[in-house]
Amino acid sequence: KAGVTQTPRYLIKTRGQQVTLSCSPISGHRSVSWYQQTPGQGLQFLFEYFSETQRNKGNFPGRFSGRQFSNSRSEMNVSTLELGDSALYLCASSLRAGNTEAFFGQGTRLTVV
Amino acid sequence: AQKVTQAQTEISVVEKEDVTLDCVYETRDTTYYLFWYKQPPSGELVFLIRRNSFDEQNEISGRYSWNFQKSTSSFNFTITASQVVDSAVYFCALSLVTQGGSEKLVFGKGTKLTVNP
Repeated sequence: KAGVTQTPRYLIKTRGQQVTLSCSPISGHRSVSWYQQTPGQGLQFLFEYFSETQRNKGNFPGRFSGRQFSNSRSEMNVSTLELGDSALYLCASSLRAGNTEAFFGQGTRLTVV
Repeated sequence: AQKVTQAQTEISVVEKEDVTLDCVYETRDTTYYLFWYKQPPSGELVFLIRRNSFDEQNEISGRYSWNFQKSTSSFNFTITASQVVDSAVYFCALSLVTQGGSEKLVFGKGTKLTVNP
């Protein structure tokens, strides 16, 4: 059974640009959550999607958005990139919303220069 | 407010030593879940254990054991006879389920464990 797949693994972008990260959950899992990990703030919840609907959102500016497709794959978008957006972005999949067993991907390392 | 505190930022031990990673949490909810995850250098968070708030039974899995004490809001993790492969950052997390059924994990800052040969 394949795990959570995140693409790309590494990304370098320039300030002001936008970026899209992708996450394919474990087959059969319908809930996808996104987390940002930085040395200063640690791991912080961005948002959760279930059945193509955003169910919960963390305390991040509107530049951070996401969506989920009918096959449960999810994308996260960050517009007008800032240096502080440099982070490891982790995606987690769960069988259903509120299911407390989340499995994480290896993350996308975003560097903003 | 919900919060997870891992007071130990870094721990360094010699192989075969036992080591305990501390985790203290805060929540007003009566129903919650606690987790431990391991993050090796590759970056992936590896699930180790989940414990719900109504189950205070301690658990042992091989060299790993967990001590959950509701009275002190602690969920500590012990590695017995540590090995070099245990070197990683370990995160304790608290799971909160909203009224809508959504869930989010609140993580501690992590403890970096280095096991030296």
